[in-house]
Amino acid sequence: QVHLQESGPGLVKPSETLSLTCTVSGGSISSYYWSWIRQPAGKGLEWIGRMYFSGNTNYNPSLESRVTLSVDTSKNQFSLKMISVTAADTAVYYCVRIPRYSGTYSYFDQWGQGALVTVSS
Amino acid sequence: EIVMTQSPATLSVSPGERATLSCRASQSVSSNLAWYQQKPGQAPRLLIYGTSTRATGIPARFSGSGSGTEFTLTISSLQSEDFAVYYCQQYNNWPPMYTFGQGTKLEIK
Repeated sequence: QVHLQESGPGLVKPSETLSLTCTVSGGSISSYYWSWIRQPAGKGLEWIGRMYFSGNTNYNPSLESRVTLSVDTSKNQFSLKMISVTAADTAVYYCVRIPRYSGTYSYFDQWGQGALVTVSS
Repeated sequence: EIVMTQSPATLSVSPGERATLSCRASQSVSSNLAWYQQKPGQAPRLLIYGTSTRATGIPARFSGSGSGTEFTLTISSLQSEDFAVYYCQQYNNWPPMYTFGQGTKLEIK
């Protein structure tokens, strides 16, 4: 059973950069898309972006100008960087796996436990 | 952007009864529709994908149906562990985009 674990600072100052890493264990990072999803306290889920193990990326247009995803296959890790953060970026950030199904990459089957990131001075 | 609307926002049902949750898309999403269950303090858990396929380990009392813009998650006989928030999620092929409904809270009546 694959396991995903988010890691990174829990507190980020406004205007600075949020950085999170997801370590994948129990399986290879290859041949899957990997994604980040966030959830502000008491609110719904927002997709941030996805990355194929080869490096191909797609982003939510609402966040694309501030987000970069990257992958390190040698460490079985993928990462999220979000620049110029504000209090509105305070949320639990989940790393998730996207399997291929019927020729599409349409859902999220494995989730990390989530990492709370608070943006505050 | 495809907008997903779930109804009702809160559903009160007694244990042992059937629960029916709805999800509507602002335009057709084909069969690219999934459902997730989230309990307090936990990550969402995949229940249904491809509109009607149960994920590994999901009990048969959970079923999904629908097509195009109208989708339903049915829980045939509610167990105590089923009371949670449920989200639907769609996938659009191009440009690639995933959006979630706002959630339905299933509470004990």
